[in-house]
Amino acid sequence: QKEVEQNSGPLSVPEGAIASLNCTYSDRVSQSFFWYRQYSGKSPELIMSIYSNGDKEDGRFTAQLNKASQYVSLLIRDSQPSDSATYLCAVKGRRGNNLFFGTGTRLTVIP
Amino acid sequence: GAVVSQHPSWVICKSGTSVKIECRSLDFQATTMFWYRQFPKQSLMLMATSNEGSKATYEQGVEKDKFLINHASLTLSTLTVTSAHPEDSSFYICSASEGPNTEAFFGQGTRLTVV
Repeated sequence: QKEVEQNSGPLSVPEGAIASLNCTYSDRVSQSFFWYRQYSGKSPELIMSIYSNGDKEDGRFTAQLNKASQYVSLLIRDSQPSDSATYLCAVKGRRGNNLFFGTGTRLTVIP
Repeated sequence: GAVVSQHPSWVICKSGTSVKIECRSLDFQATTMFWYRQFPKQSLMLMATSNEGSKATYEQGVEKDKFLINHASLTLSTLTVTSAHPEDSSFYICSASEGPNTEAFFGQGTRLTVV
């Protein structure tokens, strides 16, 4: 079983819609969760971090965490064409700061 | 956020040669640096974790004699791909953090092509 699993997509949404990205993880004791955005040929950039159950909002982005279900999600409101990218879910490992990444979900926002 | 600089951003080398990639933390001291590899349309896979002044810890399946990691200072870690082969062609990305419970920041990545 993979440490972090995501639907690879592609996910297409019209401009202005809400994009919903999902992620599950296998290690029940994980405490730190991250969403990264990666444009083609570029390094990942951090969008959101979440550590406790519930919702965390930052601008158009909302991260949701449910530790009981081992589930993390990212909502992007008012999606823009510039949001088109691959979104990577990452979970911090037990050893130091190493991150385990999902395979990413490719999002396309259609103008 | 903090700045991590990776160099070069791309490199092409011949089979059998060695390539060195540098990862520098520009405005903080990185006690820990991580090296990842990403093949096309795949996720980032952790190769190794390096702590300043000590030997790197390699993930299972990563050859430590082929991928040499040096973390001699708090601001610099290097990854040397020795005797490169075409199958080593990939996107190599480093990340750095100040400590075990702090955020890790990514470098820009290095696109390695072995011909």
